[in-house]
Amino acid sequence: GGIITQTPKFLIGQEGQKLTLKCQQNFNHDTMYWYRQDSGKGLRLIYYSITENDLQKGDLSEGYDASREKKSSFSLTVTSAQKNEMAVFLCASSIDRGPSQNTLYFGAGTRLSVL
Amino acid sequence: GDSVTQTEGPVTVSESESLIINCTYSATSIAYPNLFWYVRYPGEGLQLLLKVITAGQKGSSRGFEATYNKETTSFHLQKASVQESDSAVYYCALDSNYQLIWGSGTKLIIKP
Repeated sequence: GGIITQTPKFLIGQEGQKLTLKCQQNFNHDTMYWYRQDSGKGLRLIYYSITENDLQKGDLSEGYDASREKKSSFSLTVTSAQKNEMAVFLCASSIDRGPSQNTLYFGAGTRLSVL
Repeated sequence: GDSVTQTEGPVTVSESESLIINCTYSATSIAYPNLFWYVRYPGEGLQLLLKVITAGQKGSSRGFEATYNKETTSFHLQKASVQESDSAVYYCALDSNYQLIWGSGTKLIIKP
């Protein structure tokens, strides 16, 4: 088995601040994802990556940057935190692209609060 | 765009009672999308519970079942007799062109 580790677990930022979230996986999976979940809503895809140094935008990519410098890690940057923003960011990985053929495995999440 | 609507929680069920969590979908990009139920147990990450990739088929796992009904565009999750360990948040999702579209989640509380 493997594990997905997201750091930090909790992130408190100031309005306008650039904030970076990190994700590491030891499954040796090719594809990694970043999702955002707002309270009472479903997950929305921000970015995904099908291999090292690849980046693909999801529906929610505006306001975020991502980086996949190594196969095992995928980082997400909030380029300018919005006041009163609160959300949970979930990282996931799968062997390959395509959720129907390749099960997604998720980390525990990073909870963001912006003051 | 594609969307998923599921029972708004929390849903409270007594142990050993039956459960149904409703899920309906709207798919404009594909006629018969693949459908999923994911679950998040307390303190754990989201994990796949079951999936069905053929309309009309039933998926099952851990005592849960869901049948893909293309006529009613539904994929309801059912269990005949719930246990305390089933307390979790359940998410319905569909595959829309290699991206998962998620419902908002249904929190299930089991009364002992």
